[in-house]
Amino acid sequence: DIQMTQSPSTLSASVGDRVTITCRASQSITNWLAWYQQKPGKAPKLLIYKASTLETGVPSRFSGSGSGTEFTLTISSLQPDDFATYYCQQYHRYLTFGQGTKVEIK
Amino acid sequence: QVQLVQSGAEVKKPGSSVKVSCKASGGTFGGSAISWVRQAPGQGFEWMGGIIPIYGTTKYAQKFQDRAVITADESTSTVYMELSSLRSEDSAVYYCARAVASANYFYYMDVWGKGTTVTVSS
Repeated sequence: DIQMTQSPSTLSASVGDRVTITCRASQSITNWLAWYQQKPGKAPKLLIYKASTLETGVPSRFSGSGSGTEFTLTISSLQPDDFATYYCQQYHRYLTFGQGTKVEIK
Repeated sequence: QVQLVQSGAEVKKPGSSVKVSCKASGGTFGGSAISWVRQAPGQGFEWMGGIIPIYGTTKYAQKFQDRAVITADESTSTVYMELSSLRSEDSAVYYCARAVASANYFYYMDVWGKGTTVTVSS
């Protein structure tokens, strides 16, 4: 299985901050990577696919980059609605998820 | 926009089976694929497998190969996931999700059901 490792596990930030979350794959996944946002008690929401393509309706403050084994999700200016847990997911070979990064209020 | 409506919460005994349904509301599955993903309490996500009804393709993660069965009833736009030989570690929220996929590969999920809580307890 391809292992996905996110860092940090928890991130404390303030409204307006620029936030970056990293996701590393145990082997190259080219750009077959998606990012999701999950709020407590809710299903995940797709943010980005193919490493950098923004899903329709997702605010432009979210962006994704990377290829091979290292990827980042960036929120350019954190908004109150963005406090949530974020997960990466590879789909190069089957599907596996990172363990999540919780973005909490500083 | 299609919505995925899942069946209600279940409480099961160890060793038994559970069958969770996922119905497309406001549309049909059409050429869509459906994945099943679970999330144990306080944990991350595990992809269990999926089905692409239009191609007759079913794929499973190796961990669930022997215990999970995913089927589809296109006449009712409903997909089912049955998990057998339940143990306490199977207690989780089970999600169905529309998957972007090719004939043989599952990619990412763009529409999710609300989840079905399955509790396995003696």
